[in-house]
Amino acid sequence: EVQLVESGGGLVQPGRSMKLSCAASGFTFSNYGMAWVRQAPTKGLEWVATISYDGSSTYYRDSVKGRFTISRDNAKSTLYLQMNSLRSEDMATYYCTRDGFWGPGTMVTVSS
Amino acid sequence: DIQMTQSPSSMSASLGDTVTINCLASQDIGNYLSWYQQKPGKSPKLMIYGATNLEDGVPSRFSGSRSGSDYSLTINSLGYDDEGIYHCHQYYEYPWTFGGGTKLELK
Repeated sequence: EVQLVESGGGLVQPGRSMKLSCAASGFTFSNYGMAWVRQAPTKGLEWVATISYDGSSTYYRDSVKGRFTISRDNAKSTLYLQMNSLRSEDMATYYCTRDGFWGPGTMVTVSS
Repeated sequence: DIQMTQSPSSMSASLGDTVTINCLASQDIGNYLSWYQQKPGKSPKLMIYGATNLEDGVPSRFSGSRSGSDYSLTINSLGYDDEGIYHCHQYYEYPWTFGGGTKLELK
């Protein structure tokens, strides 16, 4: 059974950094591209970033380019999202996704 | 960016009804469209992928269709478990985009 479990969320001050992790199990992690999608409270879904199966290609939405970095460790079956210079508009639940499978999400609150 | 215009934003229907939710893509996305159902406090659940393909385990009451750049999700024989927010999603090109969501409630 495919399982994705995010962690690392919490309260962070504007301008600070935070790193999210997503532990994957139940499938061969190194065979799949992975993505982060976020959802602000009471808002719609917003794609954040995607990484190819081997990490060689990454894609970002414009509003996070230069601030967020998606990466992966295939040996650990773990996906990451390094978020720097956080803004209030980054506050959301962040989901790790793979081909339609989603984790339960981790909430990021950006507030002073 | 490809805009996904989803309608209606909310709807109310009765048990046993048939409902249709629509998404209009601002440019060609082929069949690179999926539909998700989201319950309060939960992550989205894939219902339809490739515009018309039913995800494993999803009841056959759900179906997806396409007419040009118009995509539809139809739910037959509506049940209480079908309540939630439905999202369309294009994965034809980056940035991936989603529709604004349709909140479906049963009367």
